[in-house]
Amino acid sequence: GQSLEQPSEVTAVEGAIVQMNCTYQTSGFYGLSWYQQHDGGAPTFLSYNALDGLEETGRFSSFLSRSDSYGYLLLQELQMKDSASYFCAGNGPGYSSASKIIFGSGTRLSIRP
Amino acid sequence: DAGVTQSPTHLIKTRGQQVTLRCSPKSGHDTVSWYQQALGQGPQFIFQYYEEEERQRGNFPDRFSGHQFPNYSSELNVNALLLGDSALYLCASSLLGSNEQFFGPGTRLTVL
Repeated sequence: GQSLEQPSEVTAVEGAIVQMNCTYQTSGFYGLSWYQQHDGGAPTFLSYNALDGLEETGRFSSFLSRSDSYGYLLLQELQMKDSASYFCAGNGPGYSSASKIIFGSGTRLSIRP
Repeated sequence: DAGVTQSPTHLIKTRGQQVTLRCSPKSGHDTVSWYQQALGQGPQFIFQYYEEEERQRGNFPDRFSGHQFPNYSSELNVNALLLGDSALYLCASSLLGSNEQFFGPGTRLTVL
């Protein structure tokens, strides 16, 4: 089967750094994506790792290790607006690399002053 | 440039009824995927449409069906509604081969 596991909740302090982990049990995934979803909002794309290693986009970085079936999202210089749910998602095989995306259950990030 | 739009925003139905949800993809996108998201859970992949055909399907019963039109817009149909079908239904569009999906605001379906 295909599944992605994430811790359900993480709390961090404004201005600090937080790492949210994702482990997966699957085969045939092309890569790992990360999405942010604020309460009542739609998921928004943050990053995609096709290869092992670190991808950096501003305050957000994402890491993938295929050999360990593991990835993480790193947020730096945390701001109150970063309080949201963060989902890792495996991009499955199919007609295109984005054909079948399996989402984890998400990590709810709470930022405190 | 309009993003992904969905209608209606909210819908209340009773068990056994049928429902149709609609989605217009982001301009220039040719691929539409549908997801079901229960409260506190991640989106669950229902199916994906490209060139008016269902290309991939998740673990959902045949009560869930869809359609894509020549203008790339899409519909999700659910027959014989169950209480457990109450959820947020999300539509996402992308370009074939792209790893980035753009999500619409969703339709909140409540089945009584």
